[in-house]
Amino acid sequence: ILNVEQSPQSLHVQEGDSTNFTCSFPSSNFYALHWYRWETAKSPEALFVMTLNGDEKKKGRISATLNTKEGYSYLYIKGSQPEDSATYLCAFISAGKSTFGDGTTLTVKP
Amino acid sequence: GAVVSQHPSWVICKSGTSVKIECRSLDFQATTMFWYRQFPKQSLMLMATSNEGSKATYEQGVEKDKFLINHASLTLSTLTVTSAHPEDSSFYICSAPGEFETEAFFGQGTRLTVV
Repeated sequence: ILNVEQSPQSLHVQEGDSTNFTCSFPSSNFYALHWYRWETAKSPEALFVMTLNGDEKKKGRISATLNTKEGYSYLYIKGSQPEDSATYLCAFISAGKSTFGDGTTLTVKP
Repeated sequence: GAVVSQHPSWVICKSGTSVKIECRSLDFQATTMFWYRQFPKQSLMLMATSNEGSKATYEQGVEKDKFLINHASLTLSTLTVTSAHPEDSSFYICSAPGEFETEAFFGQGTRLTVV
């Protein structure tokens, strides 16, 4: 059973704060790691597909890094806005199958 | 990217009836599709792997007679929740891998409510 862990479970920040979350995953048989923005009972919105050790990707105020050797990825949000409030999921991809972490729920207060 | 269409997006059914959920790959072929379920206050958990032309592979603890999966063509997988009970009420979502298996394309999800 693959173990994908995310921390923290929840996070409350003020508008304008920068924040980051962690996703840890098995370092063996790595294909890819995905980050999603997810609202409960909706389809996950893909943010990043990370495949190579050392990958750094950026999309607006959101960026992510990947370390496959030690089995972790960080997601950063710079200058958080209320509309960033959501659950952020990471998923370890192996042969097309996704194993999700439990997510980090971010609440950004105006 | 590739498109996966899931239908219906929501359904309400009576206890004891069966509900079928369809997952279609619209512009690519998918020999494998995955079905996930969201448990209360939890993330998405893999239920089963649907294999075109062969039996589905179920995760530990998932009742294969309860959740029937059929993958009769390269573009369609169906999940049938048989004899549904209120505890089966959940959000179900399918995905299909991309060409290089580093991608996953999700359907829109189905919100099932059993009354």
